[in-house]
Amino acid sequence: KAGVTQTPRYLIKTRGQQVTLSCSPISGHRSVSWYQQTPGQGLQFLFEYFSETQRNKGNFPGRFSGRQFSNSRSEMNVSTLELGDSALYLCASSAAGGWTDTQYFGPGTRLTVL
Amino acid sequence: DQQVKQNSPSLSVQEGRISILNCDYTNSMFDYFLWYKKYPAEGPTFLISISSIKDKNEDGRFTVFLNKSAKHLSLHIVPSQPGDSAVYFCAAKIGHDMRFGAGTRLTVKP
Repeated sequence: KAGVTQTPRYLIKTRGQQVTLSCSPISGHRSVSWYQQTPGQGLQFLFEYFSETQRNKGNFPGRFSGRQFSNSRSEMNVSTLELGDSALYLCASSAAGGWTDTQYFGPGTRLTVL
Repeated sequence: DQQVKQNSPSLSVQEGRISILNCDYTNSMFDYFLWYKKYPAEGPTFLISISSIKDKNEDGRFTVFLNKSAKHLSLHIVPSQPGDSAVYFCAAKIGHDMRFGAGTRLTVKP
């Protein structure tokens, strides 16, 4: 099985712009979660989607949004970029996001905001 | 909200010795705990997990211990190998909600 893929791998934007990141989960997986990783903060949970519905949300401002398509692929959008949004954005998929489901991570998208 | 804390940002051990990585959590509702390993330029990979009804789980060289009364989790790697050098994240779950610690960078010296 192919793993979780994320595109693009690297992105440079300027303040005020918006960005869309894409994640393709492992085939058959229906749950997709997004995380932001910054030095010293570890992985901060953004949101989780299951069957095209946002099922869970972390403590991020409304500038961060996402969606999931019928094929389980997911996109994350950040509007009005700020310098502090520079981070590694990781996507993870699991079969159903259940209690003991293992999440499998993609390689991440490195976003740099100038 | 730092519900999951890894207070040691780094740890260095000699090859062949034991590595002990620690993790503390504040929310007693967490019922499933995991450890992930992350190499540079890669996403985290699942290592080992434990449910709150157990206090120990082993998988080869890796053992996870859970002390619910202390809200403390630890990962033991025995014996440590240079290839174990990576950043280790602990994570705790309530249902679909998973929270990670900030990570501990383990360096295993030959």
